Amino acid sequence: GENVEQHPSTLSVQEGDSAVIKCTYSDSASNYFPWYKQELGKGPQLIIDIRSNVGEKKDQRIAVTLNKTAKHFSLHITETQPEDSAVYFCAPPLFSGGYNKLIFGAGTRLAVHP
Amino acid sequence: DAGVTQSPTHLIKTRGQQVTLRCSPKSGHDTVSWYQQALGQGPQFIFQYYEEEERQRGNFPDRFSGHQFPNYSSELNVNALLLGDSALYLCASSPGTGVRQPQHFGDGTRLSIL
Repeated sequence: GENVEQHPSTLSVQEGDSAVIKCTYSDSASNYFPWYKQELGKGPQLIIDIRSNVGEKKDQRIAVTLNKTAKHFSLHITETQPEDSAVYFCAPPLFSGGYNKLIFGAGTRLAVHP
Repeated sequence: DAGVTQSPTHLIKTRGQQVTLRCSPKSGHDTVSWYQQALGQGPQFIFQYYEEEERQRGNFPDRFSGHQFPNYSSELNVNALLLGDSALYLCASSPGTGVRQPQHFGDGTRLSIL
């Protein structure tokens, strides 16, 4: 099955700094790579995703980069703000028999200090 | 446009009891997946429903069962509750079962077993 590793497990930055979280996966057939943000007491919220035919995607302060050869993808947050504080999960799906299930990493707790 | 809604938000049960959790998918979504999230961990896939049938199942015992109704809403049932079943139960919906279909989550049901 799919093995997903996420680093770092915790990340502390000053407001305005950049943050980078890396996700490594094992299934070479993976072709869809989402990132989720989970705030306290809430469910995971899809914040950005990328398909395998694209190397990078940006949405305002958030970007995702993909390296299919090395089997990893990264979340980049620029100009961090206190409201970016949350737990972030990568969740590449495992596709089997026409159906898919998300395989979540262990999560990265990001703290942005004013 | 309502997103994924789950009920109840919190539930307290005792060992040996059974519980039913409910989920209404996002408008336009026909596929529902259930995940279990233990404290401090990433969500774990339980099963997925499409066209009122269980299509894929994670590594969970038969005590966990589900149902999908013609309006695409879904229920998760857990019998013979154990202390280890205490967790946040998340429902996710998607427009189809394809691997690139983004899954959107509700805020979950917090289940506590005493």
